Amino acid sequence: DARVTQTPRHKVTEMGQEVTMRCQPILGHNTVFWYRQTMMQGLELLAYFRNRAPLDDSGMPKDRFSAEMPDATLATLKIQPSEPRDSAVYFCASGLQGGMETQYFGPGTRLLVL
Amino acid sequence: TQLLEQSPQFLSIQEGENLTVYCNSSSVFSSLQWYRQEPGEGPVLLVTVVTGGEVKKLKRLTFQFGDARKDSSLHITAAQPGDTGLYLCAGARGSNYKLTFGKGTLLTVNP
Repeated sequence: DARVTQTPRHKVTEMGQEVTMRCQPILGHNTVFWYRQTMMQGLELLAYFRNRAPLDDSGMPKDRFSAEMPDATLATLKIQPSEPRDSAVYFCASGLQGGMETQYFGPGTRLLVL
Repeated sequence: TQLLEQSPQFLSIQEGENLTVYCNSSSVFSSLQWYRQEPGEGPVLLVTVVTGGEVKKLKRLTFQFGDARKDSSLHITAAQPGDTGLYLCAGARGSNYKLTFGKGTLLTVNP
């Protein structure tokens, strides 16, 4: 049963600390998405990768957030320095590019910045 | 500005009842998707509709895309406790990968 995996599932940190979230997309998928979910804003797209190349990161605060795909099996989202307003659930999703995409979401990383 | 408005925000019903939730926008979408999200999990795709007026059925769930492709509805017949979850609609405009999500309808079906 192929699934997107995310680590850690939960993270509590203090303001100013660096946070790294990891995602393993489904094997063979060539698109990766990072989303943030909050009660106020709902689900927001932060970044989109296709074949490991970042194609869209317009939804991501550039000054503190960065997203990379070191290889096809790992995507990372970093926040440095973290702020309380970054508290949210961060989801990674993967898919196969071509026509209508189905995005398969991971279980999310619940981040709390104190 | 929230491009996709979902209503109601919260819905609590008894097992066996029927319900409809709505997803509305002033914008036209090339396609629209419905997801269900359970606590502690990511959204799971239920259906994609692409043609104005399209109706799709998934067991007890009926999805409809508006003629003008600006709105959609999800109807559940004889709701069951297993239907409990957050129902999200998401629209794509032009580039299929970029989805705009509504904030969702939180459905609770009581036994």
